[in-house]
Amino acid sequence: EPEVTQTPSHQVTQMGQEVILRCVPISNHLYFYWYRQILGQKVEFLVSFYNNEISEKSEIFDDQFSVERPDGSNFTLKIRSTKLEDSAMYFCASSERDHEQYFGPGTRLTVT
Amino acid sequence: QKEVEQNSGPLSVPEGAIASLNCTYSDRGSQSFFWYRQYSGKSPELIMSIYSNGDKEDGRFTAQLNKASQYVSLLIRDSQPSDSATYLCAVNTGFQKLVFGTGTRLLVSP
Repeated sequence: EPEVTQTPSHQVTQMGQEVILRCVPISNHLYFYWYRQILGQKVEFLVSFYNNEISEKSEIFDDQFSVERPDGSNFTLKIRSTKLEDSAMYFCASSERDHEQYFGPGTRLTVT
Repeated sequence: QKEVEQNSGPLSVPEGAIASLNCTYSDRGSQSFFWYRQYSGKSPELIMSIYSNGDKEDGRFTAQLNKASQYVSLLIRDSQPSDSATYLCAVNTGFQKLVFGTGTRLLVSP
């Protein structure tokens, strides 16, 4: 069964450093998403991406964040200058249409 | 602010019983509704989607939607210890964005 994959599973970085989280969505899916979940809190929407552009972004997704689909398979989330409060699980999701979203296993980001 | 509310639980049921999980949402214009299961330390796993009023059954799971009352529920029949997890209600408020509730923790005891 096709699934969303994410790398790395765990990323440790120092405050102020740039990180890139990588995702490979399900191959025939057209919509891509990033969510995050701070430990013990709810899953929060960050951004949706369709047809090579951002469809919607949340207030969390400020200028420090960017997304890119550098080739036909990868979808990346970049955080330019990480802060302690960026520590969270980051989930990539994809959907065939604007309906069921399937989540990857997540990347645990720890900012020290 | 578009909200999705769930009782955090835990909801404790014995093995073989029916577990009933509830969710309310604030955005009356919401069109699609989802239940995800999340085991501790894992990612959300989609288990049910529902788009119109009424019931939708899939195996041991039944999702119920009442748009007039802005209410979604999930019934799990013949609950198993392996069903013990946090169940997340998610609402698509439009523009491809899912708003999640905080989740209800379900404990199924053998």
